[in-house]
Amino acid sequence: DQQVKQNSPSLSVQEGRISILNCDYTNSMFDYFLWYKKYPAEGPTFLISISSIKDKNEDGRFTVFLNKSAKHLSLHIVPSQPGDSAVYFCAASARGGSNYKLTFGKGTLLTVNP
Amino acid sequence: DAGITQSPRYKITETGRQVTLMCHQTWSHSYMFWYRQDLGHGLRLIYYSAAADITDKGEVPDGYVVSRSKTENFPLTLESATRSQTSVYFCASSEVQGYGYTFGSGTRLTVV
Repeated sequence: DQQVKQNSPSLSVQEGRISILNCDYTNSMFDYFLWYKKYPAEGPTFLISISSIKDKNEDGRFTVFLNKSAKHLSLHIVPSQPGDSAVYFCAASARGGSNYKLTFGKGTLLTVNP
Repeated sequence: DAGITQSPRYKITETGRQVTLMCHQTWSHSYMFWYRQDLGHGLRLIYYSAAADITDKGEVPDGYVVSRSKTENFPLTLESATRSQTSVYFCASSEVQGYGYTFGSGTRLTVV
């Protein structure tokens, strides 16, 4: 049972345009959400996060939106650059109690074309 | 060097062999994790640990063993390697419960 879903395995956009990566979750106990970026032959690196008490968090070109009622979050990259080409993983955690692990989606491969 | 390091970076082993993947972090983070990455499956949790001598199973623990006698080390052992364990393995650590991890660079394991 997949609790974090990234339904688009890949996305291709033109340089300078907006990239929108989507993520859905099923566990209503999740209260913290993160995006990780992964280049080939490297470990994933943290990109941006959002707590469930917010609906938006922005960091430079990256903005994450959270819609709790729909159990949906999205990552917007504006403007997209060729260096953004990577696999993006959505992750979630439920920080209460003894649950301290992140659950990841399957990832979306973003390709930004020059 | 400060950080989280995995060794070896690449490993080829034969079916049935025991192999240990090493993970070392210099921050004294309490939480450590092992994930495997496979095409079509993303990152799946194998084992995790909240502190020395405290470990717990993740989604896909079968065939793996972990130990954590020291806070900074979290080795992952494949007791009898199978071809289905061919994968890229990532170790991660975290200082704060439920927040972001820092990942190592990964170990690419091939079982032949």
